[in-house]
Amino acid sequence: NAGVTQTPKFRVLKTGQSMTLLCAQDMNHEYMYWYRQDPGMGLRLIHYSVGEGTTAKGEVPDGYNVSRLKKQNFLLGLESAAPSQTSVYFCASRTDLLDNEQFFGPGTRLTVL
Amino acid sequence: AQSVTQLGSHVSVSEGALVLLRCNYSSSVPPYLFWYVQYPNQGLQLLLKYTTGATLVKGINGFEAEFKKSETSFHLTKPSAHMSDAAEYFCAVSVLTSGTYKYIFGTGTRLKVLA
Repeated sequence: NAGVTQTPKFRVLKTGQSMTLLCAQDMNHEYMYWYRQDPGMGLRLIHYSVGEGTTAKGEVPDGYNVSRLKKQNFLLGLESAAPSQTSVYFCASRTDLLDNEQFFGPGTRLTVL
Repeated sequence: AQSVTQLGSHVSVSEGALVLLRCNYSSSVPPYLFWYVQYPNQGLQLLLKYTTGATLVKGINGFEAEFKKSETSFHLTKPSAHMSDAAEYFCAVSVLTSGTYKYIFGTGTRLKVLA
């Protein structure tokens, strides 16, 4: 089991460029999440999905879009990157049982110049 | 509204000393509670969780936490700190409310262990 993997690990963008971050999990989990982590602000939820074909907004969704076309994959898109989107992005997944923990990927460090 | 509060964004302890990281939550329904650890340049990993049953929960690496409903707390402790415990620690709550499922993280506490 690879668990939760994220692609790429690092990326540098110029303002206005677009990109897609890929999250994949091989644990057959229903729920998947995208977070961003900034110094002193903990984890903030961007978008999440409760199953294939579903997505929902989290705490800080503006400037991001997501898709969950396949159960194992959850894509995070930035259509027009801004310096404020410089952050470390984490993907996580879990089963649909309330008492189960989230499993996290290793993160993607994104810098927008 | 549900929330999680971690008192102290930075905590320093000497090697061998007691580690105490505080977490308080607010919830109108019984929550499930979690502690995660994040080592530098890594994702979060589960330390321990409370679901039902015994209120004192033991986790990995010698950590434990006690669920105190009357105090709405779930503080994390370790009797003797080791240098390898230096990391950031996150408390989290999972709760079903009004038919909506929520998973809420605290803002984290960075633990520094002094030699």
